[in-house]
Amino acid sequence: GESVGLHLPTLSVQEGDNSIINCAYSNSASDYFIWYKQESGKGPQFIIDIRSNMDKRQGQRVTVLLNKTVKHLSLQIAATQPGDSAVYFCAENIGQGSARQLTFGSGTQLTVLP
Amino acid sequence: ETGVTQSPTHLIKTRGQQVTLRCSSQSGHNTVSWYQQALGQGPQFIFQYYREEENGRGNFPPRFSGLQFPNYSSELNVNALELDDSALYLCASSQGLLAGANVLTFGAGSRLTVL
Repeated sequence: GESVGLHLPTLSVQEGDNSIINCAYSNSASDYFIWYKQESGKGPQFIIDIRSNMDKRQGQRVTVLLNKTVKHLSLQIAATQPGDSAVYFCAENIGQGSARQLTFGSGTQLTVLP
Repeated sequence: ETGVTQSPTHLIKTRGQQVTLRCSSQSGHNTVSWYQQALGQGPQFIFQYYREEENGRGNFPPRFSGLQFPNYSSELNVNALELDDSALYLCASSQGLLAGANVLTFGAGSRLTVL
């Protein structure tokens, strides 16, 4: 079946640099996407979301880009800090009004180097 | 406002046993979802409860069952435990059903080990 996937399982960046985490999805019916951050021993924490009628959304130090043509989602983190080290998951939801069943990718481990 | 709380945080069971995991939803949230997260993988949707009824189910066998109570808290029950059931079980609450209306707020999870 269709599922969300990630291009890279690990990403290391220098403190202060920008990070870009990529995600590919294959279900064209998905209309809502979310990025979650999961630190060791904790549950996923919401970062930012985007609906399919948008192609960009900005938050505090984070930006999500959605390219529906190539079914690609990315999370950009500006001025990456040590506290950003975690596993990042993208997730998709199919069908407005349906049960909020999120399909998660396998995650990208972000490591921030001093 | 309190977040999502889950209990127990860790437990060990043997194959064939039954387990009950508990979840208190975030204040103001009336919908509860359960996810299974195997080590090194993303969470997988088990099912969702709204108004005390199951509203959507993932690809999990019937030995995975749940309940939602009038105060919106929830239980996940797993019967006839198998070794592959070892995972982090995450509870998430939200307000309503529509995607995007409110994001899922996750608890820290219950770590189940089946020996």
